[in-house]
Amino acid sequence: DAGVIQSPRHEVTEMGQEVTLRCKPISGHDYLFWYRQTMMRGLELLIYFNNNVPIDDSGMPEDRFSAKMPNASFSTLKIQPSEPRDSAVYFCASSMDRGQSGANVLTFGAGSRLTVL
Amino acid sequence: AQSVTQLDSHVSVSEGTPVLLRCNYSSSYSPSLFWYVQHPNKGLQLLLKYTSAATLVKGINGFEAEFKKSETSFHLTKPSAHMSDAAEYFCVVTRSGGGADGLTFGKGTHLIIQP
Repeated sequence: DAGVIQSPRHEVTEMGQEVTLRCKPISGHDYLFWYRQTMMRGLELLIYFNNNVPIDDSGMPEDRFSAKMPNASFSTLKIQPSEPRDSAVYFCASSMDRGQSGANVLTFGAGSRLTVL
Repeated sequence: AQSVTQLDSHVSVSEGTPVLLRCNYSSSYSPSLFWYVQHPNKGLQLLLKYTSAATLVKGINGFEAEFKKSETSFHLTKPSAHMSDAAEYFCVVTRSGGGADGLTFGKGTHLIIQP
């Protein structure tokens, strides 16, 4: 397996523009997580899905952020409109379902570094 | 409820000397504990995990950690540091038997290796 695949790796955009980050989890993993990492706040959980259904989005900072998982192999995180304070590295991670050995182990993607000017 | 405290935000050691990264946890349940490593411009990678089998856990790249229930600690050690160990290290706690949706991350320790 190629691991968790994220795109783009780097995105530079101007304030007010729409940003879409993409993630392909590991095949067979039932959980998908979106994290944000900044120097000030560290690693923050934004939202996670189980079997394509959003379970907890309490970490999503505001309505400008939205996430979808239309199928088991694809998820998007969208920011519209973007603001400079959204600049961060966004990580996608996936894990196996509960009850399976290693279910509490996260496999992270390489991240998408977003810069909003 | 659970929490994890990484006692040092930065640790600097010379190449070839021992490494000690400290982590204390708090958990209302029997915990599972992990260390993840993040190299520059990379995602987090699992270094090792404790899941109530052996209290001394061996991980990749020569790292190991010891679970001490009496001290609520899970410190990460390596006998001899290598330049390639320079990275950010995260201690993580969750409920034993739980899923990845219950993970609590520490704020990270930046390990600097001096030549």
